[in-house]
Amino acid sequence: EVVMTQSPATLSLSPGERATLSCRASQTISSSYLSWYQQKPGQAPRLLIYRSSTRATGIPARFSGSGSETDFTLTISSLQPEDFAVYFCQQNYDLPYSFGQGTKLEIK
Amino acid sequence: QVQLQESGPGLVKPSGTLSLTCAVSGDSISSVNWWSWVRQPPGKGLEWIGEISHTGTTNYKPSLKSRVTMSVDKSKNQLSLNLSSVTAADTAVYYCATDEGSLGMDVWGQGTTVTVSS
Repeated sequence: EVVMTQSPATLSLSPGERATLSCRASQTISSSYLSWYQQKPGQAPRLLIYRSSTRATGIPARFSGSGSETDFTLTISSLQPEDFAVYFCQQNYDLPYSFGQGTKLEIK
Repeated sequence: QVQLQESGPGLVKPSGTLSLTCAVSGDSISSVNWWSWVRQPPGKGLEWIGEISHTGTTNYKPSLKSRVTMSVDKSKNQLSLNLSSVTAADTAVYYCATDEGSLGMDVWGQGTTVTVSS
């Protein structure tokens, strides 16, 4: 079973700053099967990035993803007020599929 | 694009069976290859429960496999999730979502809250 570990658990930044969120897989996965989701309180998760680096429909260009093998990164280039939320990575390369535990991005 | 709506009893007794449906609208259930169920306990992260293809093939999380049953009803254009022998640990918001492999889980329902309590 692939365990996804995200860091940090909480990231405190100010609007306009750059955010870098990490996701590490316990074994090598195909970058084609790594996605990122954003979740705001009381809402369902929203797909941000699929195939490690492809933005989903309607996702602003300030969101970007990268990585390969076991190490993946979600970068938000300049934080907007609406970006403060919880972010999850997920692999659907190997069954059972799995999510990271999440990174909470909070306003400093 | 499809829209998803989960529904079911909000309260289930311990040792009972949790039964949820996910109504698919906007397109046929066959328009999507795979459908996943995901849950989120209060204040915690996301847990993948399993997936079902539009033809009925299933893959379940091993730790839940003995208690989970997923099905597809094409006549009603809906999915179903049954989870038996529930305990308080099964209290969560349950989501259904499209599961398009490398394209990620693009469409999610709004989720339905299930509490296991006597």
